[in-house]
Formats: sequence, structure tokens, C-alpha cells
Amino acid sequence: KAGVTQTPRYLIKTRGQQVTLSCSPISGHRSVSWYQQTPGQGLQFLFEYFSETQRNKGNFPGRFSGRQFSNSRSEMNVSTLELGDSALYLCASSLGVGAGESYEQYFGPGTRLTVT
Amino acid sequence: AQKITQTQPGMFVQEKEAVTLDCTYDTSDPSYGLFWYKQPSSGEMIFLIYQGSYDQQNATEGRYSLNFQKARKSANLVISASQLGDSAMYFCAMRGHNAGGTSYGKLTFGQGTILTVHP
Repeated sequence: KAGVTQTPRYLIKTRGQQVTLSCSPISGHRSVSWYQQTPGQGLQFLFEYFSETQRNKGNFPGRFSGRQFSNSRSEMNVSTLELGDSALYLCASSLGVGAGESYEQYFGPGTRLTVT
Repeated sequence: AQKITQTQPGMFVQEKEAVTLDCTYDTSDPSYGLFWYKQPSSGEMIFLIYQGSYDQQNATEGRYSLNFQKARKSANLVISASQLGDSAMYFCAMRGHNAGGTSYGKLTFGQGTILTVHP
């Protein structure tokens, strides 16, 4: 069974540009979450999607947005990039969110974004 | 609000010995799940073990076991027979559930512990 895949793996952008990152969850998983990892702030939750709906959102500015498609694939977009957006962006998928369903979250390899 | 505390920034262990990585948590959620992840230098987060707050038994997965003490709000990871490949950053994380058991999607992470295994 294929794991969580993220594309691209590495990205270099310039301040002010926008970027779109993609995540394909494990087959059958309906929940996709996004996290930002930086040396200073650690791992911070961005948002979670389930059945194409955003269920939870972290404390990030509106420049960070996401969406989920009917096949559970998810994208996140960052507009007007800032130097501080340089980070490892991790996507995680889980089977479900309801009572009795598996809550285990599996992560992809991440996209390392560098903003210059 | 949820909070995870990992008080050991770094730990050293001799190959083939056991090591315990500490994790304490705080939450007001009626039920919750606790996770441990391993992050090698490559960056990928590798799921190790999961413990539900209502699980009666401590979780085990091969060489990994979770020492869950609910009253103390601790969820320590025990790695038995350490191997050189265990050298990595280890994160404790929590995910809350509401009273009906539906999980909140957010994982709250601790700051991590860097484990170094010496030959």
C-alpha cells in the first residue's frame, strides 16, 4: 500500500510569489492535515480537511489556504510569500475521524520550501 | 487547549540498551490519543505507536512500548534493544476527541528529543 506522497519535495521561491503544495493521502484515508515545521516554532498545525471540508484551522494568516478534492487529495497554497514561510511542510492522512475509527496519522516526506 | 512537554532535549544510549523518552501532557478533552513519531535527518515523520486514553493496556509495537500513566498525565516511550538506526528526533503528540469520540484533526506536538545511539 502506497504511503502519503507530497510534491514537490523541494522548492525555492522569491518573496512575494505564491506557491501550491500537493498531498496525496494513503488510499482510503479521508482526513488530510497540514503542518509547518521550523527550527524556531517546531511543528505547528495549519489545517485539516475531511470529505472536502475544512474541519479545523490553526493560527496562521489568511495567506495560507488549502482545499481537498473528491479523491481526498489535498493542496495548500501560500500567497505573497515571506522569508518566514521557509519551512518543512508536512502532510498527514488518517483513515477517519469518527468514534471507533483509526485516528493514527501517517505523514508524507514533506516539502521543503525556501523563500529568498 | 492541549499541551505536550518533552523535557529531554537530548538523550544518549548505548547500542542494545533500553531507553525511555519522557512525555507529559495536559488537556481538557474527554478523551484523546497519544502518539510517538520518529523523525530522522531526512525529515519524514515516521509513526511509531498510538495509545488511546481509554485503552486499558499499554500499547506495544515491536521494540517500542508506551508507558501510559493517565493519573500522572505521562506517556513515555520505551525503546528496547536500541539500534544505531534509532538515532533521530522523537516527537510526542496528542489528538483530542469530543465526548462522542469524534477526533479533532489537530495534532499538538512537543518540542522533541534527539536520541543518539552509541555503538
